[in-house]
Amino acid sequence: GESVGLHLPTLSVQEGDNSIINCAYSNSASDYFIWYKQESGKGPQFIIDIRSNMDKRQGQRVTVLLNKTVKHLSLQIAATQPGDSAVYFCAEKGDSNYQLIWGAGTKLIIKP
Amino acid sequence: NAGVMQNPRHLVRRRGQEARLRCSPMKGHSHVYWYRQLPEEGLKFMVYLQKENIIDESGMPKERFSAEFPKEGPSILRIQQVVRGDSAAYFCASSAGARTEAFFGQGTRLTVV
Repeated sequence: GESVGLHLPTLSVQEGDNSIINCAYSNSASDYFIWYKQESGKGPQFIIDIRSNMDKRQGQRVTVLLNKTVKHLSLQIAATQPGDSAVYFCAEKGDSNYQLIWGAGTKLIIKP
Repeated sequence: NAGVMQNPRHLVRRRGQEARLRCSPMKGHSHVYWYRQLPEEGLKFMVYLQKENIIDESGMPKERFSAEFPKEGPSILRIQQVVRGDSAAYFCASSAGARTEAFFGQGTRLTVV
């Protein structure tokens, strides 16, 4: 079936550096994408979303880029902090359904 | 405005017992989603409900699992005759509309012994 996948299961970044987490999706009909952050033992926390009519969207310290040509999504975190340590999931919704389809996640580790 | 509330946070059941998981959506939200998560994996959609209606239950096993979202009270995910393979974290999310931002609860971790 259609799926959303991530390139790297674990990403280690020096504190203060920028982080880039990547995601590939396969359903060309998907038109809404969300990044979630999940800390250990907690529920997913919404970070930022983007619709398919946009290429880029910025939030506080985070930027999401969408490349529909290659079906690629990325999350950029500026000036990574210890509190950014978590598993990051990308998720997609198609235009004909309302369920989120989730990738496997990328664990972000912040090195002091 | 309280977030999505799930209870219990942890639930231990013996094989063959019933598990009832509760979810109170955020105030003003009438759309509820249930997801299941195994360790080190993403969330898997189970069921989508609006008040008193099941809209999509395509991700929920046909046997032993049921969900409801009554006019009054929380949404309930019920698992009858639990088996070890039901052990997982079950997350509930709510939204104001079908295609708007969904907020998640802290989950119920079910352990079947």
